[in-house]
Order: sequence, then structure tokens, then C-alpha cells
Amino acid sequence: SQKIEQNSEALNIQEGKTATLTCNYTNYSPAYLQWYRQDPGRGPVFLLLIRENEKEKRKERLKVTFDTTLKQSLFHITASQPADSATYLCARYSSASKIIFGSGTRLSIRP
Amino acid sequence: DTGVSQDPRHKITKRGQNVTFRCDPISEHNRLYWYRQTLGQGPEFLTYFQNEAQLEKSRLLSDRFSAERPKGSFSTLEIQRTEQGDSAMYLCASSLTSGGQETQYFGPGTRLLVL
Repeated sequence: SQKIEQNSEALNIQEGKTATLTCNYTNYSPAYLQWYRQDPGRGPVFLLLIRENEKEKRKERLKVTFDTTLKQSLFHITASQPADSATYLCARYSSASKIIFGSGTRLSIRP
Repeated sequence: DTGVSQDPRHKITKRGQNVTFRCDPISEHNRLYWYRQTLGQGPEFLTYFQNEAQLEKSRLLSDRFSAERPKGSFSTLEIQRTEQGDSAMYLCASSLTSGGQETQYFGPGTRLLVL
């Protein structure tokens, strides 16, 4: 089956360091991957979309990479802050509209 | 606040009861989606509408679930004869078709607990 997988283990890092989250996909080649942030009790918020022909995309302190050889996307937050603590979801389009989400990785930034 | 609202935010019901949730999308958005999310998982697609037409339904959407978007604006999701397995967060999202990959804007969700 076509899967999108994220490390379900929580990631705890020190404030100021770079957080790196991983998203792997199997059995297909998505044209796009997306990253969302979700806070407890809230809906996901779209952060970034990267196309398969883009190696890297940046937005402020966020950077996303897309490696079609490794079948992997990496999501980086530089100069992390406690306010960045949340669950981050990787997702792909199943059709033009339908989104398939990974299970998310919970990130905690300690002061 | 994304501009998508959902009501109620929380619902506790007894097994066997019917429940109905409402979603008000961003006003100019023509597409509306329903997702379900259980603890520790990402949202799972349930169904979506383009204007008032329901275009796709997931196999997750059993006969007990029905969704409507009668005037192409707000939408309702009804669950009949609720079961404990229906306990989850129900998320609504909306988007505007643009000919490419659209950004979906999610509401805050309705958390359902079936006792």
C-alpha cells in the first residue's frame, strides 16, 4: 500500500538548536509533499508545500527538503523556540483534493 | 483562527444516540472536507464537497454517517446510532479551487466522546 510514515517517537530538543523531522514514503512517488503544524485541541495549519522537482524550500526559520532517491522529506526548524512545540504532520495529495496525512511527530522544545 | 468554524467544539453522547456537527467554511471557498482524527494519528479523509455536490466518500464513512452541504455553504455531518469507536476529533476544512494544488484551511474540530 502507499504509505507515508513519520517517526512516532516524540522529539525533545534544546531551545536554539535545529529540529529535524523525517517523513518517508513507500510504494509511490508523490508529486508534492506538505507539512502542517497541529497544536493540541486545534486543527492542522498548513506550513509548506514542496514539489518533487524542488530540492529545498524555505520559509523564515523553516526548511523542507525532498529527496526522491531516498523517498524522504526532511523538515527543519532552525533556532528553535519553545513556541515551536507542537505536532508536525507530513502529508501528500491522494487526488487533486484529498490529502493523506502521516501520524505526526510531536516536537518539544525545552528552554 | 483560519476562518473555518465548527460547532459544537465538544460533544459527549451515549452509545446509540444520534449526533450532528456543523462546519462553516471560509465564505468564498467552494470545497469543503471532513476528516476524522483519533489520538496519536493524523487526520483521515472522510468526504468532500464541491459546492453542494458530494464528490467523494471514504470507505471509513459507514452507512451511519451522512454529510450534507445543502446550499454550498455550511455543511453538517450526522452520525446515527453512535458507537464507542466513533469517539474522535472531527475536523472540517475548506479550500478554493485554483486549477492546482489547493491549500486546505482547517477548523478547530469537534471532539466527540461516545460513552
